[in-house]
Amino acid sequence: NAGVTQTPKFQVLKTGQSMTLQCAQDMNHEYMSWYRQDPGMGLRLIHYSVGAGITDQGEVPNGYNVSRSTTEDFPLRLLSAAPSQTSVYFCASSYSSGGYVYTFGSGTRLTVV
Amino acid sequence: RKEVEQDPGPFNVPEGATVAFNCTYSNSASQSFFWYRQDCRKEPKLLMSVYSSGNEDGRFTAQLNRASQYISLLIRDSKLSDSATYLCVGRGGNDMRFGAGTRLTVKP
Repeated sequence: NAGVTQTPKFQVLKTGQSMTLQCAQDMNHEYMSWYRQDPGMGLRLIHYSVGAGITDQGEVPNGYNVSRSTTEDFPLRLLSAAPSQTSVYFCASSYSSGGYVYTFGSGTRLTVV
Repeated sequence: RKEVEQDPGPFNVPEGATVAFNCTYSNSASQSFFWYRQDCRKEPKLLMSVYSSGNEDGRFTAQLNRASQYISLLIRDSKLSDSATYLCVGRGGNDMRFGAGTRLTVKP
């Protein structure tokens, strides 16, 4: 199994540009989520989904959109990139929202200049 | 105040040492707790769950004190390969809240 696949691994954006970070899992997990990781801040939840067609906001949702049209895919959209969105982004999935083991993707390192 | 707080370290210990990390959480409704390990520039991976009665996995021991709202991780006989950042995690409802991590370096 590939697990959780994130693309791209690295990205540089200019302020105001938009882009989509891709996340796909092949484990038939119902629960998927997006985190950002900044130095000294730990992982902070952006958005999450408990199943296809269902999404909800996490701790730091502003400036990001998500959708979940299939069980496998959970893309994260940056609407108008800002330097404050420079971070490492991780996608994670688990069997259910009560699942205890999160499988993380390898991350996307985003720099906004 | 963050929901889950950890001493960021770094902890620098020699091989073979015993080292302990503590973590406090502010949300008394948190239901489950975990330790994740994150290597430099890699994704977090589950190290172990934390049970109220305490639990061991080889050289690693985790403890939970609900009354004082803290979690601990003890690593015995440290190995060079234990060098990593250790993330304390609490789960409540539909999401997991991560601490900022404690960095451990084990030296020869």
